[in-house]
Amino acid sequence: VQLVQSGGGLVQPGRSLTLSCTGSGFTFGDYIMNWVRQAPGKGLEWVGFIRTKANGGTTEYAASVKGRFTISRDDSKSIAYLQMNSLETEDTAVYYCSRRVAATFWGQGTLVTVSS
Amino acid sequence: ESVLTQSPGTLSLSPGERAALSCRASQTVSTNYLAWYQQKPGQPPRILVYAVSTRATGVPDRFSGSGSGTDFTLTISRLEPEDFAVYYCQQYGTSPTFGQGTKLEIK
Repeated sequence: VQLVQSGGGLVQPGRSLTLSCTGSGFTFGDYIMNWVRQAPGKGLEWVGFIRTKANGGTTEYAASVKGRFTISRDDSKSIAYLQMNSLETEDTAVYYCSRRVAATFWGQGTLVTVSS
Repeated sequence: ESVLTQSPGTLSLSPGERAALSCRASQTVSTNYLAWYQQKPGQPPRILVYAVSTRATGVPDRFSGSGSGTDFTLTISRLEPEDFAVYYCQQYGTSPTFGQGTKLEIK
């Protein structure tokens, strides 16, 4: 099982950025895909998750990102996405994807820096 | 949203000693959806325990989880040098949350 993340970087406040999480070594469509972030020197913060298509493919979000962030998935490509709009400086963090919410398998993390 | 409060914030112990890390929830944790993670600098978290007391695959048996309702504990029976890290509890219901973490440092 492997999760490989891409798409981080430096972005200005108010702009958008999309992160990707590509899975391999397992049947991607059978699992909830989850996102967690960690601001520099801080603890872990749950961001949101997307259920499997069999369970409606619905999403849940933390209050801090609801309405600004959108999680989606393309099971044919084994990719989960985190689209982040209206980014704020407080969104600066390392973002991790994981398989399941109680997660054994994690991506390597990608740094998103929101700064002018 | 269930708030998880971990204590102590920092725990200073020596290798070979026993560690007890506490996690208290503001609401009853549903269906025992409580996990513990270990995190070292520059790494993603590593799951140790899920469903309150089930050790994840490959986790040494010196790690054990216990508790119910709103009070949970991660116990490390005899500390090894590699156990010094930050530990987080997590409730993974519909709106998951993490505790703020306990730093386990070498005394």
